[in-house]
Amino acid sequence: KAGVTQTPRYLIKTRGQQVTLSCSPISGHRSVSWYQQTPGQGLQFLFEYFSETQRNKGNFPGRFSGRQFSNSRSEMNVSTLELGDSALYLCASKSGTPNTGELFFGEGSRLTVL
Amino acid sequence: AQSVTQLDSQVPVFEEAPVELRCNYSSSVSVYLFWYVQYPNQGLQLLLKYLSGSTLVKSINGFEAEFNKSQTSFHLRKPSVHISDTAEYFCAVSDPGGYQKVTFGTGTKLQVIP
Repeated sequence: KAGVTQTPRYLIKTRGQQVTLSCSPISGHRSVSWYQQTPGQGLQFLFEYFSETQRNKGNFPGRFSGRQFSNSRSEMNVSTLELGDSALYLCASKSGTPNTGELFFGEGSRLTVL
Repeated sequence: AQSVTQLDSQVPVFEEAPVELRCNYSSSVSVYLFWYVQYPNQGLQLLLKYLSGSTLVKSINGFEAEFNKSQTSFHLRKPSVHISDTAEYFCAVSDPGGYQKVTFGTGTKLQVIP
């Protein structure tokens, strides 16, 4: 079974631009969560989608948004990029059966904002 | 609301020495507990998990953790570390009901010294 796939792996943007990151979950997984990881703040929860609906949201400004498609693939978008948005963005999928909360992570998309 | 505390941000240890990474959680309900490991430039991987049953759980590479309900702890131990264990370790808690929201600790960087 293929793992969680995130694209792109690395990208460089400038302040004010926007970025879209993509995540393909493990086949059959309907839940996709996004996390931001930085050296100073650690692992911070952005949002979770399940069957195309956002069902949990972290404390991030509205510049951070996401969506999930009918095939469970998910995208997150960050608009009006700031220097502080430089981070590793991790996507994780979760199986509904069994229902344990175990997460399967992708390798992440490393965003650098200049 | 649930929370996870990893008191040690960094733990240096000599190769072949034992190590314990501490994790305490708070939750008003029963929990599932996890340890994830993150190697440099990679996503998180599940190391071991406690769902129910025996309070002592083990990984395939020699780590073990014990669920202690009275002390609300889930410390990770290894009797003899190897250079390849150098990584960041995250403790996480999930509640068994509802959406199984997952809460992570801030991580502990294990540095194995040759």
